[in-house]
Amino acid sequence: EVQLVESGGGLVQPGRSLKLSCVASGFTFSNYGMNWIRQAPGKGLEWVAYISSGSSYIYYAETVKGRFTISRDNAKNTLYLQMTSLRSEDTALYYCARHAFLDYWGQGVMVTVSS
Amino acid sequence: DIQMTQSPSFLSASVGDRVTINCKASQNINKYLNWYQQKLGEAPKLLIYNTNNLQTGIPSRFSGSGSGTDYTLTISSLQPEDVATYFCLQHSSRPTFGAGTKLELK
Repeated sequence: EVQLVESGGGLVQPGRSLKLSCVASGFTFSNYGMNWIRQAPGKGLEWVAYISSGSSYIYYAETVKGRFTISRDNAKNTLYLQMTSLRSEDTALYYCARHAFLDYWGQGVMVTVSS
Repeated sequence: DIQMTQSPSFLSASVGDRVTINCKASQNINKYLNWYQQKLGEAPKLLIYNTNNLQTGIPSRFSGSGSGTDYTLTISSLQPEDVATYFCLQHSSRPTFGAGTKLELK
């Protein structure tokens, strides 16, 4: 069974940093591209970033480019999202999802940016 | 980015009803359109990928159709367990999502 479990969320002050993790199981992690998607309270879903299976291709939404970094450790079956210079508008539930067409999703981890 | 306009936002239907939800893209997305179901507190679940392909394990009452800019999710006979929010995703280019349809029982 494919499982994706996010962690690392919490309350953080504006301008600070936070690193999210997504641990994958039930499939060969190193064979799949991975995504981060977020949903702000009361808002729609927003794709945040994508990384290919071997980390050769990385793409970001314009809203996070230059502040967020997606990475992965295939030996640890783990996807990361390093978030810096956080803003209140980054407050959201963050999901990781497998594959370029997002076939499996985790349950999400909440990030709240507030002073 | 490609904009996805999903309708309706809310839908109330009875058990056994045929239900349709629509997504319209701002440009041709070449059938790169997925449909998801999300129940409260749960991860989104892929129902249909690339317009009309049923994901493994999804009941056959769910189906998808469309082409170009216009796409439809159909539930042929609504069941109580289908109460959820449904949303579309285009992955022709940088992924973008429909705003969602909240489906309730009448």
